Amino acid sequence: AQSVSQHNHHVILSEAASLELGCNYSYGGTVNLFWYVQYPGQHLQLLLKYFSGDPLVKGIKGFEAEFIKSKFSFNLRKPSVQWSDTAEYFCAVNGNTGTASKLTFGTGTRLQVTL
Amino acid sequence: NAGVTQTPKFQVLKTGQSMTLQCAQDMNHEYMSWYRQDPGMGLRLIHYSVGAGITDQGEVPNGYNVSRSTTEDFPLRLLSAAPSQTSVYFCASSYSSRGHALINSPLHFGNGTRLTVT
Repeated sequence: AQSVSQHNHHVILSEAASLELGCNYSYGGTVNLFWYVQYPGQHLQLLLKYFSGDPLVKGIKGFEAEFIKSKFSFNLRKPSVQWSDTAEYFCAVNGNTGTASKLTFGTGTRLQVTL
Repeated sequence: NAGVTQTPKFQVLKTGQSMTLQCAQDMNHEYMSWYRQDPGMGLRLIHYSVGAGITDQGEVPNGYNVSRSTTEDFPLRLLSAAPSQTSVYFCASSYSSRGHALINSPLHFGNGTRLTVT
């Protein structure tokens, strides 16, 4: 069975600080990896995704994530956060079973950016 | 572009009452699903459907029923609400072909329904 771990539950940063949110997964085969973001009072939306190819994936709003297969990790990064990045971030993994119903979400990391 | 529309946004029920959470999408997505979001537990899949007439259970199906009579609609029914069902419910859809929901198609989420059961 696949699983996802997000070890940082609540992160507080000042504006302009660098961000790295950890995501580790367990699955023995090929995986597809996602980061979703949920801004306060809004629905989840896709931030970025990795299917294959370049392990460094760039998403919207200056976010990027690096897939490190040997570490089973897909950490999310941003060089300089803004107050508007305050949100909850979810990592998700889907083993290459061919079905969207097998998407597993992590427990989420709440990011609070202070001015 | 409406996307995924959920109603109602908020609902308060008494234990034992029944209700239906509505979900509709206008993107002609065949795959639809219901998640519940609870603090510290992320999103957990309740039920999903890969096309009209086909539904299946997710991780936490107990206490919930679904049906899929049309491609557009995927209602979630609580037959006898319990306090443990207090949660935020999200409907999501994605492109797929019948029986082969594409994992590389991202989910489109609705705005959620906040349900409180007293």
